[in-house]
Amino acid sequence: DAKTTQPTSMDCAEGRAANLPCNHSTISGNEYVYWYRQIHSQGPQYIIHGLKNNETNEMASLIITEDRKSSTLILPHATLRDTAVYYCIVRVGLDKVIFGPGTSLSVIP
Amino acid sequence: DTGVSQNPRHKITKRGQNVTFRCDPISEHNRLYWYRQTLGQGPEFLTYFQNEAQLEKSRLLSDRFSAERPKGSFSTLEIQRTEQGDSAMYLCASSPTGVLQPQHFGDGTRLSIL
Repeated sequence: DAKTTQPTSMDCAEGRAANLPCNHSTISGNEYVYWYRQIHSQGPQYIIHGLKNNETNEMASLIITEDRKSSTLILPHATLRDTAVYYCIVRVGLDKVIFGPGTSLSVIP
Repeated sequence: DTGVSQNPRHKITKRGQNVTFRCDPISEHNRLYWYRQTLGQGPEFLTYFQNEAQLEKSRLLSDRFSAERPKGSFSTLEIQRTEQGDSAMYLCASSPTGVLQPQHFGDGTRLSIL
């Protein structure tokens, strides 16, 4: 899988949008961008994925640059419950997910 | 959909003992994965199954580790002769067969070796 780089940690004020960046400059044409998050003492939770078009679901939006070398996960109105480690992953599809260290997001009251 | 269930949630054992963990995937999910996670790190892939067939094993899975999924439903992960370095969170995930299907994770079994 292509390697991704993310900031180690970020802060966000409660109620504001949280924008989490991810660089994946070596992504291949058939690799998708996936985001998971892991709240303390829980297993990772799937958030969203995309190939080249922007995607939105009930949890978040995913913005992928036109050259696909980077993406941003957007939590539109962050709450304290969004405090977690966020993982950006690229994968072809069927097999294992390779996690990096992720971004630790702290939502501050 | 009851989610992926893992038991026990916590296991404390002495070095040298054998331990076994169980994972019950989401029903009708053909694929089942095991990961290990140590403090401050992302989960690391160990192995995965398509139904009852074990299709891939990481080099992290030493000969002291064995995983089974005998009837293509639940899975067990056994660690023999546990060592201090085996202390970690062991995570199970499942997914339907199909390209791009996300993996759904359980909340893990935390293993502590005394």
